[in-house]
Amino acid sequence: GAVVSQHPSWVICKSGTSVKIECRSLDFQATTMFWYRQFPKQSLMLMATSNEGSKATYEQGVEKDKFLINHASLTLSTLTVTSAHPEDSSFYICSARESVNEQFFGPGTRLTVL
Amino acid sequence: SQQGEEDPQALSIQEGENATMNCSYKTSINNLQWYRQNSGRGLVHLILIRSNEREKHSGRLRVTLDTSKKSSSLLITASRAADTASYFCATDPWTYKYIFGTGTRLKVLA
Repeated sequence: GAVVSQHPSWVICKSGTSVKIECRSLDFQATTMFWYRQFPKQSLMLMATSNEGSKATYEQGVEKDKFLINHASLTLSTLTVTSAHPEDSSFYICSARESVNEQFFGPGTRLTVL
Repeated sequence: SQQGEEDPQALSIQEGENATMNCSYKTSINNLQWYRQNSGRGLVHLILIRSNEREKHSGRLRVTLDTSKKSSSLLITASRAADTASYFCATDPWTYKYIFGTGTRLKVLA
C-alpha cells in the first residue's frame, strides 16, 4: 500500500509553546488528509479534514484556533498545536486519501507537553 | 458519536488459540478496515473489506462483514505472542471520514 509519513515521531515541549507536525504522502497525491487524536487507552477521534488549497473543516468540539491545519500541497499537511498545554498531550495520527476507497494512515506523533 | 463498538473490550488467550473480535456499527458503510496498534505505536493496516464483500483472508487473518447486521468480525488463527496489541475497526459511512471503534485489547500469553 501507499506510504504516509509523519514528522516528528515524538516531541516534548514546554507549556505555552507551539508545535508543528507534518504529514506527508510519499508516493501519491492526496487532495484530502485527515487528522486524528488518540488519548491513552482510547480510540482515535477525528479532529479535522484537511483539503489541499482550502480551509480545513473541523469536527465539533475541536478548536480551530488551537489546532491550525495547513494543506499547502498535494503531499503535505501540517498540524500546529498552538500554545500547547499538558492536556494537549496525545498521540496525533494523520491519514491521506489516495482514491475513493483507499486511505492510508501515518505512524503517528506522540506529543508530550510539560 | 462513535460509529463502531467493539467486543470484547479485552481478550486474553493462550498462544496457539484463535482470537475473535467483533465490530458493530450504526449506519450504512462504504467499507470497513481493521487496524492493529501496538502499545504506544502507530496503526498497522490489516484488511480492508468493501460493503459488497462478505469475507476476506490475509494470512492468519479472516474478516467477515454482515451488512444486514451492521457487524464485522476479525479472526486471528493460531495466535502468537507477537499478536498482542489493540485492534480497531474503522468504518467509512460514505463520507471518507473513517470512524474508529472502541478497540479490543488482545493479550496472547506464551
